Amino acid sequence: EAGVTQFPSHSVIEKGQTVTLRCDPISGHDNLYWYRRVMGKEIKFLLHFVKESKQDESGMPNNRFLAERTGGTYSTLKVQPAELEDSGVYFCASSQEAGPGNTIYFGEGSWLTVV
Amino acid sequence: RKEVEQDPGPFNVPEGATVAFNCTYSNSASQSFFWYRQDCRKEPKLLMSVYSSGNEDGRFTAQLNRASQYISLLIRDSKLSDSATYLCVVRDQAGTALIFGKGTTLSVSS
Repeated sequence: EAGVTQFPSHSVIEKGQTVTLRCDPISGHDNLYWYRRVMGKEIKFLLHFVKESKQDESGMPNNRFLAERTGGTYSTLKVQPAELEDSGVYFCASSQEAGPGNTIYFGEGSWLTVV
Repeated sequence: RKEVEQDPGPFNVPEGATVAFNCTYSNSASQSFFWYRQDCRKEPKLLMSVYSSGNEDGRFTAQLNRASQYISLLIRDSKLSDSATYLCVVRDQAGTALIFGKGTTLSVSS
């Protein structure tokens, strides 16, 4: 069974440009999450989709970040315009159900460098 | 105060050593607790869940003390392949978002 897949694995863009990260969750997982780790910090929650609906977007840093999950399958996370402090690794994760008893599986991450 | 705090590390130990990692969390209403392992430039992978009764998986033993809001991980008979970053993770009150510590790096040498 395929795991959570993310694209691109690495991206280098200039400040002010736009980048779109894509995530394909494990098939059948209604719950999809975005996390990120910026330099020197811990991994932090960004948002949670249940199917196509945003369940919790309390971790989104500002309005330069836009996440979508049209059709409830794959998700995109767009950063526009990118700033230097957005550099880091963006992890997507998925789970079959939400709630305490369910395992969340992570993708390998999309490494973003803004120069 | 950070929500999840871990030993700063790094821990450098020889093969066969026993090593213990500690973690504290600030939200007493946290629902569930985990240790994740992360290899260099890879994704976090669930190592084990942590229960109040304590649980063991081979060489790994995890313990939770809810009263002290303290979580531990003990690794016995360390192997070279145990070298990684160990992340203490707490699930939030709503039971959805994971809250990560910064991680403790373990390096096992021969």
